[in-house]
Amino acid sequence: QKEVEQDPGPLSVPEGAIVSLNCTYSNSAFQYFMWYRQYSRKGPELLMYTYSSGNKEDGRFTAQVDKSSKYISLFIRDSQPSDSATYLCAMRGGQGGSEKLVFGKGTKLTVNP
Amino acid sequence: DAEITQSPRHKITETGRQVTLACHQTWNHNNMFWYRQDLGHGLRLIHYSYGVHDTNKGEVSDGYSVSRSNTEDLPLTLESAASSQTSVYFCASSWGGRGETQYFGPGTRLLVL
Repeated sequence: QKEVEQDPGPLSVPEGAIVSLNCTYSNSAFQYFMWYRQYSRKGPELLMYTYSSGNKEDGRFTAQVDKSSKYISLFIRDSQPSDSATYLCAMRGGQGGSEKLVFGKGTKLTVNP
Repeated sequence: DAEITQSPRHKITETGRQVTLACHQTWNHNNMFWYRQDLGHGLRLIHYSYGVHDTNKGEVSDGYSVSRSNTEDLPLTLESAASSQTSVYFCASSWGGRGETQYFGPGTRLLVL
């Protein structure tokens, strides 16, 4: 079993739809959870960052972490064509843990006007 | 503004040649990382460094080397380029410690013929 599993998609939705992106993981030591957005032919950019369990909201984006189920989600409300990108989940261990990030393979999202 | 840059952005080389990819960050980050990104594999860690003169192997380090002589730079060397090393290479950096995450450069596209 891979440490981090992410459905690669591709996912195609109409403009204005609610998008749900998900990752599961197996390492219970992970404490920090991130979502990166990567536009075509660009480097990944940090989108959302969450520590431990709970929700975090930033504009149209909401990140959820459920450590009991080892499951993280990213929700995009009122999706826009500019949200079309590949979304990568990433995670790492807690204090004293590794600085290395473990990435999912990414989900490619297309939002159609 | 502080940033992370990579050069060259595109490179074509021949099998067997030595190639060096540059990474430079102006955040004064302790940690620097090199990844390669390939379809179906996502981001894979090649080498990383937690400070000057510190280097460590990642999951796909064979055929690659790094050295860290100052805080700002972590060049990646392909000792004898192989066609299997055709990929997009990303450098990333982080301050390190609790709560910190990685910030990525724009990438280098390498084609080995």
